[in-house]
Amino acid sequence: DIQMTQSPSSLSAFVGDRVTISCQASQDIGNYLNWYQQKPGKAPSLLIYGASNLQTGVPSRFSGSGSETDFTLTITGLQPEDFATYFCQQHHDLRELTFGGGTKVEIK
Amino acid sequence: EVQLVESGGGLVKPGESLRLSCVASGFPFSNYIMNWVRQAPGKGLEWVSSISSSSGYIYYASSVKGRFTISRDNAKNSVYLQINSLRGEDTAVYYCARSGQRFDLWGQGTLVTVSS
Repeated sequence: DIQMTQSPSSLSAFVGDRVTISCQASQDIGNYLNWYQQKPGKAPSLLIYGASNLQTGVPSRFSGSGSETDFTLTITGLQPEDFATYFCQQHHDLRELTFGGGTKVEIK
Repeated sequence: EVQLVESGGGLVKPGESLRLSCVASGFPFSNYIMNWVRQAPGKGLEWVSSISSSSGYIYYASSVKGRFTISRDNAKNSVYLQINSLRGEDTAVYYCARSGQRFDLWGQGTLVTVSS
């Protein structure tokens, strides 16, 4: 299995801050990396696909970067509605898709 | 409206079986890979199973292989998950999700609780 390790597992930030979340794959996955946002009691929603492509309708303050084993999700100018949990997911190995453990972004 | 709606969850005893259903609408269902993803209470997301558009390939997470069976009926725009020999660790919200290279459409989830 390809293991996905996210860091940090949680963070506190102010509205307006720049936030970065890291995701590391246990092996080279190219750019087969997606990011999701999940709010309490709701289903996840797709933010970024292919490591750096913004899903339609997602605000441009969200961005993704990275390749091979190291990836980053950046929120530039954190908004109140961005307080949520974020997950990365690899789709390099279609036989065993895997998610990172999640990063909870909380209000400071 | 483009949506996925799951059903079939509930409270079951260890060892029992359950069949989850997911009905799709608003998009060409037969063109898409369909998946089940679960989330235990307070935990992260765990991919469970995938089925290709024509059921030609099916994959399972190692944690459920042998107990879970995914299937689909393109004529009914539906995907199913048969869960046998339920265990406490199967307690979770089960989401149906559409994919190509990413999970771009999710249902609202159905809760399965395994308890005696």
